[in-house]
Amino acid sequence: EAGVVQSPRYKIIEKKQPVAFWCNPISGHNTLYWYLQNLGQGPELLIRYENEEAVDDSQLPKDRFSAERLKGVDSTLKIQPAELGDSAVYLCASSPLAGGPTGELFFGEGSRLTVL
Amino acid sequence: DAKTTQPTSMDCAEGRAANLPCNHSTISGNEYVYWYRQIHSQGPQYIIHGLKNNETNEMASLIITEDRKSSTLILPHATLRDTAVYYCIVRVARGGADGLTFGKGTHLIIQP
Repeated sequence: EAGVVQSPRYKIIEKKQPVAFWCNPISGHNTLYWYLQNLGQGPELLIRYENEEAVDDSQLPKDRFSAERLKGVDSTLKIQPAELGDSAVYLCASSPLAGGPTGELFFGEGSRLTVL
Repeated sequence: DAKTTQPTSMDCAEGRAANLPCNHSTISGNEYVYWYRQIHSQGPQYIIHGLKNNETNEMASLIITEDRKSSTLILPHATLRDTAVYYCIVRVARGGADGLTFGKGTHLIIQP
């Protein structure tokens, strides 16, 4: 069974440029999460989707970040314009609705962004 | 979610048991203890979770104290591939909930 797939794995851009990350969750997983991980820190939740609805976007900096999950499957996270401080790893995770038997989240390998 | 306290880093010899402690003194009665690990350049990976009984699976064992204020993750025979950051997280169980709140975790280094 395929895991959570993210692309691109690495992205280097100049500040003020836009960037987008894509996530394909595990088939059948209704809940999708985007996390931000700065160097040396644990991941921090940006947004959580239940199907196509963003049920928790309180930590998403809405002035420059946006996300969508059309049709409740794949999701895209966008930053426009990017700033130097946005350099980080962006992780996507998914889980069954109501957490499944263990409540675990399944993470992708992440997209590493470098803003120059 | 209740907060946790973990040592910043630990070393363990290859083949020995690695014991990773976690304090969660403010844990609520309906909160579980979860452990994840993150190998370099990968996403976090679920290891094990428990409520109040000790748990064991193919990866590790979880020992939770009777008062539930602390726990220990045990990797019985550590290998070099177990070198990773280990996160102890408490959360209301499955519930699809609000995701996971990560701290900085413990960087476990397995020495050859």
